[in-house]
Amino acid sequence: AQSVTQPDIHITVSEGASLELRCNYSYGATPYLFWYVQSPGQGLQLLLKYFSGDTLVQGIKGFEAEFKRSQSSFNLRKPSVHWSDAAEYFCAVGGGDMRFGAGTRLTVKP
Amino acid sequence: GAVVSQHPSWVICKSGTSVKIECRSLDFQATTMFWYRQFPKQSLMLMATSNEGSKATYEQGVEKDKFLINHASLTLSTLTVTSAHPEDSSFYICSARRGFSTDTQYFGPGTRLTVL
Repeated sequence: AQSVTQPDIHITVSEGASLELRCNYSYGATPYLFWYVQSPGQGLQLLLKYFSGDTLVQGIKGFEAEFKRSQSSFNLRKPSVHWSDAAEYFCAVGGGDMRFGAGTRLTVKP
Repeated sequence: GAVVSQHPSWVICKSGTSVKIECRSLDFQATTMFWYRQFPKQSLMLMATSNEGSKATYEQGVEKDKFLINHASLTLSTLTVTSAHPEDSSFYICSARRGFSTDTQYFGPGTRLTVL
């Protein structure tokens, strides 16, 4: 069965600092992987996705993620965090039925 | 493009009443729509998958007689919470996908349901 683990429930970074959010997946075949962001009381916005090809994926808002098959990971990164990036971030796996990780809440310190 | 709307954005109802939530794909035809439930500070849990013109497929543990899903057209799916109780209070989010399983799911803004 497919599943997603986001080991960090809450991360706090200073504005301007770099960010890495971890995501590990379990999937029987080549996974379709996604990162979504959710602001309070809002739906989800797609940041980026990986289906195949280049393992380094560029997304919106300056985010990128790297697919590492050997580590079953799809970590999200951003070189310089802005205060507006504070939100909940979800990693998801699946083609048909999507499964979400528990989410990582990002707090940005001024 | 690829906008999904939900209506209402929030609703308060009395215990025992039924509530209908609409999910619309505004600028594309959605062959498949999904309904998720999200408890506070938790992840999204898939409730059911619906394909236009077919019966919805419910996830294990989701009562299909309580959560009625109708996908009558390629742009509209509805979730009706029947005989709602306080434990049904939650954030309900729908998503829509054009066709293939590799297509992106576009999410609606969610509906906050509070059952008194």
